[in-house]
Amino acid sequence: DGGITQSPKYLFRKEGQNVTLSCEQNLNHDAMYWYRQDPGQGLRLIYYSQIVNDFQKGDIAEGYSVSREKKESFPLTVTSAQKNPTAFYLCASSPRTGGNQPQHFGDGTRLSIL
Amino acid sequence: QKEVEQNSGPLSVPEGAIASLNCTYSDRGSQSFFWYRQYSGKSPELIMSIYSNGDKEDGRFTAQLNKASQYVSLLIRDSQPSDSATYLCAVMRGGADGLTFGKGTHLIIQP
Repeated sequence: DGGITQSPKYLFRKEGQNVTLSCEQNLNHDAMYWYRQDPGQGLRLIYYSQIVNDFQKGDIAEGYSVSREKKESFPLTVTSAQKNPTAFYLCASSPRTGGNQPQHFGDGTRLSIL
Repeated sequence: QKEVEQNSGPLSVPEGAIASLNCTYSDRGSQSFFWYRQYSGKSPELIMSIYSNGDKEDGRFTAQLNKASQYVSLLIRDSQPSDSATYLCAVMRGGADGLTFGKGTHLIIQP
């Protein structure tokens, strides 16, 4: 089945540790996105990518990094510089960026601090 | 500051009635508008998109857009207990590529 796969479902981070969240899609979508959701809050954009080897910062990029080496993959690294990383992380994709392009989400990764 | 505002609720509606969810946005350049449903502990699921003024119907769902008033709404007819969820309004900002989300309205359908 076509879709967006995020892994792991749950992740725990130790103090000073970098962790990487995986996002893979087999929908042949050009655009991919990372959002963060805190309890009782809406989603906030971290990074997005329109094409391979190119990505842009969203509203809350500090403490995060991404790469887009393959069209299907858009991993997110939560670095030790992100002092409040506990959240629900959601990856999305759309056929192209902008305009009338609905985004569809993976099942998410819950990150907690040990 | 470009914002999307929703009443957090909870909004309680009897089964079989019409649920009305509202959203306002601040960026007049916004082009595209989406409603997502999110069950507790799950990821958001797209249920409606609307791009031009007026109404758009899909089954029991109707989205309404009024760009002059910067207002988007979602009507759910014949509400079912399975409609109980948080509904997120999302706006595609003009000239940008990511979505701006409201905090969501928690809807409870009472059997």
